[in-house]
Amino acid sequence: EAGVAQSPRYKIIEKRQSVAFWCNPISGHATLYWYQQILGQGPKLLIQFQNNGVVDDSQLPKDRFSAERLKGVDSTLKIQPAKLEDSAVYLCASSLGLGGRSGNTIYFGEGSWLTVV
Amino acid sequence: EDKVVQSPLSLVVHEGDTVTLNCSYEVTNFRSLLWYKQEKKAPTFLFMLTSSGIEKKSGRLSSILDKKELFSILNITATQTGDSAVYLCAVEEREKLTFGTGTRLTIIP
Repeated sequence: EAGVAQSPRYKIIEKRQSVAFWCNPISGHATLYWYQQILGQGPKLLIQFQNNGVVDDSQLPKDRFSAERLKGVDSTLKIQPAKLEDSAVYLCASSLGLGGRSGNTIYFGEGSWLTVV
Repeated sequence: EDKVVQSPLSLVVHEGDTVTLNCSYEVTNFRSLLWYKQEKKAPTFLFMLTSSGIEKKSGRLSSILDKKELFSILNITATQTGDSAVYLCAVEEREKLTFGTGTRLTIIP
């Protein structure tokens, strides 16, 4: 079974530039998550989609971050303009249904490592 | 505000030792508690716990949940260098998963 695919794996940009990350979840998984993991911290949920609808985006800095999942499959996360504190790993994850319930294990992608200089 | 607190933040032990990692939580609508292992890439799923007192076991790893005292422990026996990683605890409530900051475990050969 193919896992959660993310690209690019690594990105270095200057502050105030923009960047976009792409995620393709495991086939058939309805729920897709974007997490931000700053070095030394646990992952923080940025946004959660159920199919193409947003379930939770309460921690997404909406002045600079946006995400979409137009057809309910793959998703993009954009940062514009980037700040130094956005340097982190951006993890995409997916689950069959609403994550954490029996049979709905959350699977993570390899992450997109962003460095803002 | 919901909280998931892990301790210790870091731990260094010798190969062969047994370790216990702790996770305490304060959430409004608890559904399950999950443990993940994170090496240099994505977290990989270890256990999901929903019921108190029922130990989940996988090889040298085991975990148990106490819903009355709101904590879980992850035990690793006969540690090996390959166990070196960050261990993340996460609590699921409704449709939300909240992670702790993790415990960084280092195994010295």
